[in-house]
Amino acid sequence: GAGVSQSPSNKVTEKGKDVELRCDPISGHTALYWYRQSLGQGLEFLIYFQGNSAPDKSGLPSDRFSAERTGGSVSTLTIQRTQQEDSAVYLCATRGQPQEKLFFGSGTQLSVL
Amino acid sequence: ELKVEQNPLFLSMQEGKNYTIYCNYSTTSDRLYWYRQDPGKSLESLFVLLSNGAVKQEGRLMASLDTKARLSTLHITAAVHDLSATYFCAVGDNNAGNMLTFGGGTRLMVKP
Repeated sequence: GAGVSQSPSNKVTEKGKDVELRCDPISGHTALYWYRQSLGQGLEFLIYFQGNSAPDKSGLPSDRFSAERTGGSVSTLTIQRTQQEDSAVYLCATRGQPQEKLFFGSGTQLSVL
Repeated sequence: ELKVEQNPLFLSMQEGKNYTIYCNYSTTSDRLYWYRQDPGKSLESLFVLLSNGAVKQEGRLMASLDTKARLSTLHITAAVHDLSATYFCAVGDNNAGNMLTFGGGTRLMVKP
């Protein structure tokens, strides 16, 4: 596609439920990042995929968070047993060459009630 | 661990005035990016700076990079209301593959 696509754009869930967020990268982009942004705050790094290398999971806040990237393309971020503090905008960004800019998706607004 | 600090965090300025946003980072890097975010929107790339002394300009915005000082600046010339947004710098960590670490953002409000 022409840009990074994220779905859903909005997700409202109840505390304790699992959610799955999806990111479709720009075709050919080998690097994929997940960030989280709370209201009025900066970007918090979650996880980074680069080609076939093992992902950098150092930013995941707890073991309730996991992510995978199938076939080097689509990525899913899964949050198990959601908590209210998980409410935020989850942003996916992808990049081609190492020094290129990141292209961001429009994000998924997650609200945990 | 790479740390990136922006200042100021909030900036209110009158149209027509000049100002500079600063981005300091803690470890060696040769990649620095500036992004703009409008309320409720995603991030839009402004500048990519890849070498010491790099300077990029687009309209009323000019970004520069001093890798020795570990400092980048985003200079605003003769501000207009349309520049109101939050600006983020992001730094590539030379010691952590190609991971990018973002600053906390500078919220800019330009008043008529």
